[in-house]
Amino acid sequence: DIQLTQSPSFLSASVGDRVTITCRASQGISSYLAWYQQKPGKAPKLLIYGASTLQSGVPSRFSGSGSGTEFTLTVSSLQPEDVATYYCQQLNSNPLTFGGGTKVGVK
Amino acid sequence: QVQLQESGPGLVKPSETLSLTCTVSGGSISNYYWSWIRQPPGKGLEWIGYIYYSGSNNYNPSLKSRVTISVDTSKNQFSLKLSSVTAADTAVYYCARYCTNGVCPNWYFDLWGRGTLVTVSS
Repeated sequence: DIQLTQSPSFLSASVGDRVTITCRASQGISSYLAWYQQKPGKAPKLLIYGASTLQSGVPSRFSGSGSGTEFTLTVSSLQPEDVATYYCQQLNSNPLTFGGGTKVGVK
Repeated sequence: QVQLQESGPGLVKPSETLSLTCTVSGGSISNYYWSWIRQPPGKGLEWIGYIYYSGSNNYNPSLKSRVTISVDTSKNQFSLKLSSVTAADTAVYYCARYCTNGVCPNWYFDLWGRGTLVTVSS
């Protein structure tokens, strides 16, 4: 199985800050990586697919980069509504796996 | 727009079989893969398995011996059965559309149901 390790597990930042979350894969997954945002009590929402393509309707302050084994999700200017847990997911091979999540809060 | 809705018992006894159905509305179940994902309270996401509208499927090896996912195209539904449940199977269960290359630009889960909490307890 391909393991995905996210860091940090928790982060707190101020409104307007640039925030970066890292996802590392235990083996190469090309660009078959997606990022999801999950707010409390809600289903995950797709933010980015193919490592760097923004899903329709997602604010442009979100961006993704990387390929192979190291990926990043960046929020260029954190907003109060971005408080959520963020998960990466690899779709390179079965079993499909998710990272452990990064909980993002606002100071 | 296409929407997904999970339904089924919220309480299942240990050793029994958990059964959930996902109804797809606003669009056809055809030409896509459909998946189940679960999330234990306060924990992360675990992929359970997926099924193509034609019936071919793939399961997480960690659950494979207990999982069956089926599809009913006439009702625009797909279902999950998880046998011999224990307290460790207590979770919010989500159904989702698995978009794959050929139908979509890439591979991702683009539509999710709201999720349903299933508690395993006597």
